[in-house]
Amino acid sequence: GENVEQHPSTLSVQEGDSAVIKCTYSDSASNYFPWYKQELGKGPQLIIDIRSNVGEKKDQRIAVTLNKTAKHFSLHITETQPEDSAVYFCAASRSGSGYSTLTFGKGTMLLVSP
Amino acid sequence: NAGVTQTPKFRVLKTGQSMTLLCAQDMNHEYMYWYRQDPGMGLRLIHYSVGEGTTAKGEVPDGYNVSRLKKQNFLLGLESAAPSQTSVYFCASSYGTSSRQYFGPGTRLTVT
Repeated sequence: GENVEQHPSTLSVQEGDSAVIKCTYSDSASNYFPWYKQELGKGPQLIIDIRSNVGEKKDQRIAVTLNKTAKHFSLHITETQPEDSAVYFCAASRSGSGYSTLTFGKGTMLLVSP
Repeated sequence: NAGVTQTPKFRVLKTGQSMTLLCAQDMNHEYMYWYRQDPGMGLRLIHYSVGEGTTAKGEVPDGYNVSRLKKQNFLLGLESAAPSQTSVYFCASSYGTSSRQYFGPGTRLTVT
């Protein structure tokens, strides 16, 4: 089955800096890669996702890049703000025949200091 | 729209007791999922359903049962709770495979 590795496990940055979280996956057939943000005491919330036919996707201060050859994808947050502090999870799955459910990384705790 | 709701929010059980967690969604999603979240382990899939009346095992199904009698509801049952089932349980739903999953607020379960 799929295996998703996520690094780092914790990340501390100053407000205004950029933050990068990296994930690798093992199943070359995976074609859907979402990122979730989980605030304390709440359920995960989807913040951005990318499919394997796209190399990069942006949404305001958030961007995700995908390298299918190397089987890794990354979340980039620019101009970080204290409200970006949360746990972030990456995940991977494949659709179509041989469908697989989402496999999650273990999470990255992002701390943004004012 | 309420999205995905879960009841109860908190529960304490004694070893051997049983309980049912209820998940409801009002988005007409076909797929529903139950995950557990433990410190340092991320989210692990317990069971899921691809439509009314169907269920399938996930990564960690032992000790749990599920039912999907109505499209909007997905029930997770613990027949004989064990301390190893102490966790936070999340329900999620989506339109289909590799579609965006929407999560509920979670149920914190403690088994003593």
